[in-house]
Amino acid sequence: GQNIDQPTEMTATEGAIVQINCTYQTSGFNGLFWYQQHAGEAPTFLSYNVLDGLEEKGRFSSFLSRSKGYSYLLLKELQMKDSASYLCAVRNYGQNFVFGPGTRLSVLP
Amino acid sequence: DTEVTQTPKHLVMGMTNKKSLKCEQHMGHRAMYWYKQKAKKPPELMFVYSYEKLSINESVPSRFSPECPNSSLLNLHLHALQPEDSALYLCASSQDSGTQETQYFGPGTRLLVL
Repeated sequence: GQNIDQPTEMTATEGAIVQINCTYQTSGFNGLFWYQQHAGEAPTFLSYNVLDGLEEKGRFSSFLSRSKGYSYLLLKELQMKDSASYLCAVRNYGQNFVFGPGTRLSVLP
Repeated sequence: DTEVTQTPKHLVMGMTNKKSLKCEQHMGHRAMYWYKQKAKKPPELMFVYSYEKLSINESVPSRFSPECPNSSLLNLHLHALQPEDSALYLCASSQDSGTQETQYFGPGTRLLVL
């Protein structure tokens, strides 16, 4: 079976740091992706991990531990525009992407 | 150009209608996808085309019929839909090679079935 889990909602303050966790159990693994989705809009790509470790991209970083089936997305210097849903997705072998339930992040002033 | 376009943006149809959703990309991607997304839920994969051949069909009802006329175009034909099929339908594409290629999503078609 396949299961991806994320917290449903998180709240943080402007300028702070927030960590969004994702745990997964999938039948195959060929990479983990993080997407941002604002309400009513399409998901946009944020980051990709296929090997263990940390990938940094500006204010966003993503970490992967394949042995633990665990990833997190770290957002630094939060801005109001970061209020959105954050989707963790695992690509199985081939082109099958399985999305987690998403985490709705609210950034407060 | 990392754009995937979808038409129409909005669609209202009755349960007896036949309509089609269209998706287009000119990035040379060889994999194209249809997803269905209900409000406050993640996208659910429906179909994947790889090199213009259907490679994944996630047990989607036959009232949804995909078509890939060429490597740039992807259609989703709709017939005899149910009100519970109302959702945002997202198209995406990816390179279909290597391991770092992400999907690029179109803006979606918001479908309402009455």
